[in-house]
Formats: sequence, C-alpha cells, structure tokens
Amino acid sequence: DVKVTQSSRYLVKRTGEKVFLECVQDMDHENMFWYRQDPGLGLRLIYFSYDVKMKEKGDIPEGYSVSREKKERFSLILESASTNQTSMYLCASGVTYQPQHFGDGTRLSIL
Amino acid sequence: DQQVKQNSPSLSVQEGRISILNCDYTNSMFDYFLWYKKYPAEGPTFLISISSIKDKNEDGRFTVFLNKSAKHLSLHIVPSQPGDSAVYFCAASVEFQAGTALIFGKGTTLSVSS
Repeated sequence: DVKVTQSSRYLVKRTGEKVFLECVQDMDHENMFWYRQDPGLGLRLIYFSYDVKMKEKGDIPEGYSVSREKKERFSLILESASTNQTSMYLCASGVTYQPQHFGDGTRLSIL
Repeated sequence: DQQVKQNSPSLSVQEGRISILNCDYTNSMFDYFLWYKKYPAEGPTFLISISSIKDKNEDGRFTVFLNKSAKHLSLHIVPSQPGDSAVYFCAASVEFQAGTALIFGKGTTLSVSS
C-alpha cells in the first residue's frame, strides 16, 4: 500500500518565519506534488517535481519554494510566512496517468 | 480562469437514492480525468478515473460518465450510503512545461441522510 507521510499534522508559526513542510513517499514515484486546500477554493497546485532536483511551478507558487534532494522526499518552504498562507497543505506522489496518492495533510496556522 | 469547474458546492441525497455529481472542463486536450473523495482531516482518496478514449467507467457503486463534446463528466453513486458523505473533487491531468499534474475543481460536498 502506498504511503505518503507528512511530517506534521498541525503546525503553528509566526509571521516572517521560514517554515519547512516535509513529505516522504515509499513507492519510488517519480512525481511529487504540493497543494493547498482552502474553503471554497478546492485544491490548488503550488509546485511539483518530476525528478530529483527538478521542479515546476503550479498555479500558485508565489511565496513558496521547494526542494527535492532525494527521490522519496519533497519539501515545501515558506520563505517568510504570512497570514494568507494559513491553510491545509497536502502532499501527493504518483506516476504520470495514474492516480496520485495523498498524505493526510498539514494544517498550518500563521499568527 | 478555472479549467475544471464543479458548479454545485453541495448536494443532499437520501440513503438508497442516486447521487450525481457534475464537473465541466474547458480544454478539449484534457484526456484523463479522476474523482477523489475527501473526509475532514484526511487526505483525498482516489475513487475512479476515466480516459478520453472511453465514455463510461464503472467500479461497484461508482460510475463515471464522460461527454467529450460537452466537455462534461459526472460521477454517479448508486445506491448512496451515509458513509459516502464527503467532499468530492473532480480532477483533470494537465500538461505543464516539463511534466503533468492534476488540476482540481473546487469540490462538491455530498450529504447522504439515512
């Protein structure tokens, strides 16, 4: 069974802090993704990675960066957290034209 | 502009009846579509998918229909059960510059009452 693990279920940070969200998958998938989910807006793609050290911007990359140094790990970085980045963050992994598998999410609050 | 649209934010159905969730898309080049279900405080889980070479795909109580000319797909759940109460997301596989990713609609909250 595919396992996508996000390091924290709940996180509280302060405005201006640098925040790291970590995601690990155990299925050797090439592709990994970061989404955020907000009420009334659905899931919006922030960044994805199709290989180690490779990344591509999604629909809402502003204020975020990512890192993929190893195939199984994909990190989302909030360079200087702001209150409008309070959200549910979801990581996923998969292969092209197959369903993505999601982690349980990190609920991030920026105060 | 939204490329995948779910125009009904919510749907209420009685147990045992059919639930029909709708989804429209804008780009006729999209060729792979998926439905996910999401419970609160959990990640989305894959339900069913359909490729553009088909117009129907069935898995147990779940059937997805694709109308390419109308750029419309629908998810039918028969019979609906209280455990089906969740948010349902429609998604399309989209080509970006160097890879493909899923683009999701805003979701439809399904409530099934007993």
